[in-house]
Amino acid sequence: QQQVKQSPQSLIVQKGGISIINCAYENTAFDYFPWYQQFPGKGPALLIAIRPDVSEKKEGRFTISFNKSAKQFSLHIMDSQPGDSATYFCAVGSGRRGNMLTFGGGTRLMVKP
Amino acid sequence: GAGVSQSPRYKVAKRGQDVALRCDPISGHVSLFWYQQALGQGPEFLTYFQNEAQLDKSGLPSDRFFAERPEGSVSTLKIQRTQQEDSAVYLCASSPWSRQGADGYTFGSGTRLTVV
Repeated sequence: QQQVKQSPQSLIVQKGGISIINCAYENTAFDYFPWYQQFPGKGPALLIAIRPDVSEKKEGRFTISFNKSAKQFSLHIMDSQPGDSATYFCAVGSGRRGNMLTFGGGTRLMVKP
Repeated sequence: GAGVSQSPRYKVAKRGQDVALRCDPISGHVSLFWYQQALGQGPEFLTYFQNEAQLDKSGLPSDRFFAERPEGSVSTLKIQRTQQEDSAVYLCASSPWSRQGADGYTFGSGTRLTVV
């Protein structure tokens, strides 16, 4: 059972453009929704996270939009830069299972100069 | 150290061989996690420790997988009688909190295991 569905699998954006990655989950018990960024040969690094009591969170060029009723959340990268080229993972977590996270399948982002 | 350290970075094992993967978490971090990441996939949860107690091992794929954290700091993931399907990157993460959702959830760079 795939608890977290992430789309698209790959994305090509021009420098300065907006990158949008979407994530859908099934279990309403989840209450923590982070996005991770991973470069080749490195572990995932936390980019931004949101809790279900807010609908949007912005940190610099990165914004999470959260739709609790639709059980969806998305990552928006404004003014995308070549250095943003990486694989992005959404994840969901629940305090009832400690800090254990369930990850989506990943989106490979390429930002063209 | 400043981050989560994993060793070795790369391990090639012959099928049937036992392997041990080490994780040095950030000093003082209470929680420690192991994840398995297959090529082109997202990480999948294996097991979770709070200090020396293994609170969740529901993600371990078989009884060939065993993890320990005897003194509540360094952890070892052991895989017995390795199989080709065990080939993956094994990621360790640590967090300073025992509650869910800490921003201090830090991953190491992983150990890439190749079973031949």
